[in-house]
Amino acid sequence: DSGVTQTPKHLITATGQRVTLRCSPRSGDLSVYWYQQSLDQGLQFLIQYYNGEERAKGNILERFSAQQFPDLHSELNLSSLELGDSALYFCASSPSWEAQTQYFGPGTRLLVL
Amino acid sequence: ELKVEQNPLFLSMQEGKNYTIYCNYSTTSDRLYWYRQDPGKSLESLFVLLSNGAVKQEGRLMASLDTKARLSTLHITAAVHDLSATYFCAVGRLYTGNQFYFGTGTSLTVIP
Repeated sequence: DSGVTQTPKHLITATGQRVTLRCSPRSGDLSVYWYQQSLDQGLQFLIQYYNGEERAKGNILERFSAQQFPDLHSELNLSSLELGDSALYFCASSPSWEAQTQYFGPGTRLLVL
Repeated sequence: ELKVEQNPLFLSMQEGKNYTIYCNYSTTSDRLYWYRQDPGKSLESLFVLLSNGAVKQEGRLMASLDTKARLSTLHITAAVHDLSATYFCAVGRLYTGNQFYFGTGTSLTVIP
């Protein structure tokens, strides 16, 4: 158990819908990262927040957005969902933006029908 | 964009044998990470390699980093069934945040 929690574990929804994935980092970690894992794209970095501010952006679609709240938990919002958005979404955290490693949560498995 | 390649993609090996997984990356970086993922599970950190020539060992796994060759290896010694999993290397780019660029993963199956 890495100490990173994610909810929900599983999510089934329809195309065109909007969902919110939630992540609580390890106690004391200021940086949160979101990754998408799919069979065709592998593990891809989406976005990073550090202490409430966006720090880095990866291959995140415009339909996706994220934020980190004052209590340091983060939410990833996915809208206008398409079949291809079906994937495992991981949140990771680290103590700072330059930490040596990232600790991954259990993931949220999203299925878009 | 930074590219990270792993080979082989699939590895089936007998218990007791040795093998090496290779991780090549395309641009300069001095931060290399190895993770393990069991089916349907999260990623577990195995090794952090932060300098050229770094070598880390844990049990039957040993990781090394050659930043000049842009190559990291994960060596498996005397494989056991419990090592069956998918292994990922990841390269960190500190000055653009700390996002990781992951390799394609190597799915390892150890056969009794």
